Amino acid sequence: EVQLVESGGGLVQPGRSLKLSCAASGFTYSHYIMAWVRQAPTKGLEWVATITTGGDNTYYRNSVKGRFTISRDNAENTLYLQIDNLRSDDTATYYCAKGYFDYWGQGVMVTVSS
Amino acid sequence: EIVLTQSPTTMAASPGEKVTITCRASSSVSYMYWYQQKSGASPKLWIYDTSKLASGVPNRFSGSGSGTSYSLTFNPMETEDAATYYCQQWTSIPWTFGGGTKLELK
Repeated sequence: EVQLVESGGGLVQPGRSLKLSCAASGFTYSHYIMAWVRQAPTKGLEWVATITTGGDNTYYRNSVKGRFTISRDNAENTLYLQIDNLRSDDTATYYCAKGYFDYWGQGVMVTVSS
Repeated sequence: EIVLTQSPTTMAASPGEKVTITCRASSSVSYMYWYQQKSGASPKLWIYDTSKLASGVPNRFSGSGSGTSYSLTFNPMETEDAATYYCQQWTSIPWTFGGGTKLELK
């Protein structure tokens, strides 16, 4: 059974940093691209970043370029999202998603507020 | 950026009704994905490659379309189908989602 379990969220002040993790199991993790998708409260879904199987290539939406860093550890079957210089509009539930979004984690809430 | 516009944004339907949701793209896309999200839950892949049902999706659902116009049809609607549905494109980065269609029970 595919499982994606996010962690690392919380209440953070503007300008601070946070690192989200996503522990993957139930599939051959190193064979799949992985992504982060976020959803602001009461809003729709927004793709954030994607990383290729070996981690060689990463892709970001423009609004997070330079502040977000997606990475992966294929030995530990874990996906990461480093978020720097947090802004209030980063407040959202962050989901990790496998491949072409065929499986999603339960999400982790990030709240940016002073 | 390819903008996906869903219509309607909200609708109510009765069990047994045929329901169609549409998704229009600002530029042509090769195919469309659809996701179902129930309140408080994570999204689930519902339809991929425009018309293929994801694992476990009942065959009363169908997807169709091409170019800039796509649709998701429930025939018939059942009570468990009440949820928000999102379309999404993989044709060009940034990969974008529609704003969602919230389907409620009448």
